[in-house]
Amino acid sequence: KQEVTQIPAALSVPEGENLVLNCSFTDSAIYNLQWFRQDPGKGLTSLLLIQSSQREQTSGRLNASLDKSSGRSTLYIAASQPGDSATYLCAVDNQAGTALIFGKGTTLSVSS
Amino acid sequence: EPEVTQTPSHQVTQMGQEVILRCVPISNHLYFYWYRQILGQKVEFLVSFYNNEISEKSEIFDDQFSVERPDGSNFTLKIRSTKLEDSAMYFCASSVASGSEQYFGPGTRLTVT
Repeated sequence: KQEVTQIPAALSVPEGENLVLNCSFTDSAIYNLQWFRQDPGKGLTSLLLIQSSQREQTSGRLNASLDKSSGRSTLYIAASQPGDSATYLCAVDNQAGTALIFGKGTTLSVSS
Repeated sequence: EPEVTQTPSHQVTQMGQEVILRCVPISNHLYFYWYRQILGQKVEFLVSFYNNEISEKSEIFDDQFSVERPDGSNFTLKIRSTKLEDSAMYFCASSVASGSEQYFGPGTRLTVT
């Protein structure tokens, strides 16, 4: 059964720092990996999707990498800003069009 | 930019009552999903729906739950007889194709008293 773990559970950094959020999954036979942002009491905003054949995806200050064989993904945020403060969720699916299995998330706080 | 919408944003109901949560997926999307998140816990998959039928469901999605696409735009989740443990945030999601990015709605917070 696929399990997704995110470390650390919480992270506090000063504005301007570069940071890395980690995601690991137990079954490497994934189809997609998706990173989301969740603000308190709100829905999930999709940040990046990496297909299993890809190694990384970039969007603005965000870069996500995928090492399928080791069951790991990282989300790199460059030059962090207070507006980046949120919970970041990682999710994988094992087949196209099937359930996303989520980690518990990393709650990021960026202070000005 | 097109987005998934959900109504109501907050629903309070008494234990044993039926509730219907409504979603309008992005218009050209063909795959629809319901997830839930109990406070402080992970987002959990409930059900996926394609071509007017359930394609996958989790063990949470028992006989008390049902989904329907009553017309060309709405996608609903019905809970027949709510329990206290059904209290959660319910998210609808949609994707344009199998294996493509899932887009989530803002959620409906269901409180069962």
